[in-house]
Amino acid sequence: GAGVSQSPRYKVTKRGQDVALRCDPISGHVSLYWYRQALGQGPEFLTYFNYEAQQDKSGLPNDRFSAERPEGSISTLTIQRTEQRDSAMYRCASSSTVTSYEQYFGPGTRLTVT
Amino acid sequence: GQQLNQSPQSMFIQEGEDVSMNCTSSSIFNTWLWYKQDPGEGPVLLIALYKAGELTSNGRLTAQFGITRKDSFLNISASIPSDVGIYFCAGQNTDKLIFGTGTRLQVFP
Repeated sequence: GAGVSQSPRYKVTKRGQDVALRCDPISGHVSLYWYRQALGQGPEFLTYFNYEAQQDKSGLPNDRFSAERPEGSISTLTIQRTEQRDSAMYRCASSSTVTSYEQYFGPGTRLTVT
Repeated sequence: GQQLNQSPQSMFIQEGEDVSMNCTSSSIFNTWLWYKQDPGEGPVLLIALYKAGELTSNGRLTAQFGITRKDSFLNISASIPSDVGIYFCAGQNTDKLIFGTGTRLQVFP
């Protein structure tokens, strides 16, 4: 596709359930980033991949959060045993090379944990 | 997590006016980027800066990479209604971007 796509766009889940958020980067982009964005604030880094290798996961809040990108394209961010404080907008971005910091963002997934 | 300081926090201006906003950090950055975010959308990249002192334009937008590498500035000339949105700066020094707190711009006709 022309841009970064994310699915679902909206997810409502009950506390304790697991959720999987999907990101499809711009075709050919080798680096993929996950962010969390609170209302009115800038995106906050979670983790990123170069190709299929996870390079940095220092931004993941705790071990309930994990991400994978097994074939170096689509990525999944999984949150296990969701809690209300996990409610946020989760954004994905991609960049064309490992040395480019020009990141292009998707529309995000709005997660609400009830 | 760490966020860069942007000022002003919000601006209310008349169409046709010029706008200036800035972003400051206690850390040195190698790259500065400016993004605009419309309601319900993801941030859209406006300008990227790679060298201290660099001045780069994109249409009515001009951004500068501060000489100390700890700040950056964005100017919008002759504002129009579609300039409304939140402007975020982002700095890079290792392998990730750190975003600013945002400047919310409102343009009145």
